[in-house]
Amino acid sequence: GAGVSQSPRYKVTKRGQDVALRCDPISGHVSLYWYRQALGQGPEFLTYFNYEAQQDKSGLPNDRFSAERPEGSISTLTIQRTEQRDSAMYRCASSLLPGASNEKLFFGSGTQLSVL
Amino acid sequence: GQQLNQSPQSMFIQEGEDVSMNCTSSSIFNTWLWYKQDPGEGPVLLIALYKAGELTSNGRLTAQFGITRKDSFLNISASIPSDVGIYFCAGSTQGGSEKLVFGKGTKLTVNP
Repeated sequence: GAGVSQSPRYKVTKRGQDVALRCDPISGHVSLYWYRQALGQGPEFLTYFNYEAQQDKSGLPNDRFSAERPEGSISTLTIQRTEQRDSAMYRCASSLLPGASNEKLFFGSGTQLSVL
Repeated sequence: GQQLNQSPQSMFIQEGEDVSMNCTSSSIFNTWLWYKQDPGEGPVLLIALYKAGELTSNGRLTAQFGITRKDSFLNISASIPSDVGIYFCAGSTQGGSEKLVFGKGTKLTVNP
């Protein structure tokens, strides 16, 4: 696609429910990143993939968070048993080649998650 | 964890004025990046800095990578209304980390 596409744009859920957030990176981009951005803050790294391999998941807050990219393209970030503190904007980014600091990252518009 | 201290938190300026914002860190970074985020959109890369002391320009934007590797600044000259937005600094550490650490942002308002 023309840009990084994320869905849904908004997600409202009740505490305790599971949610799945989808990211469709720019076609052909090797690396895919997930960031979380709280209101008034900068993006916070969660995890990233090169192709289908998850390279670093050190930013995932706890074991309720998981991500996958089974075919090296679309990725899903899953949050189980959501809590109110999970409410934030979840942003996906992709880059043509590995190396977030040396390759231009293209960010999606994000999924705004609200846990009631 | 690593943190970037970005200042000022917000700025209100008149069109045509110059703007300066900066980021500092207690850790050494080997890359500094500056992003701009418009309302409802994701951050967009403005300038990337890869070497200590490097001074790079992109149109009306100028950014520098501090000699100590612990700071960077971004200047915007002759501001225009479309400069409105939130500016983020970001860095990655030595060792080739794929992770970017972001500052909290500087919200810029330009009055016409």
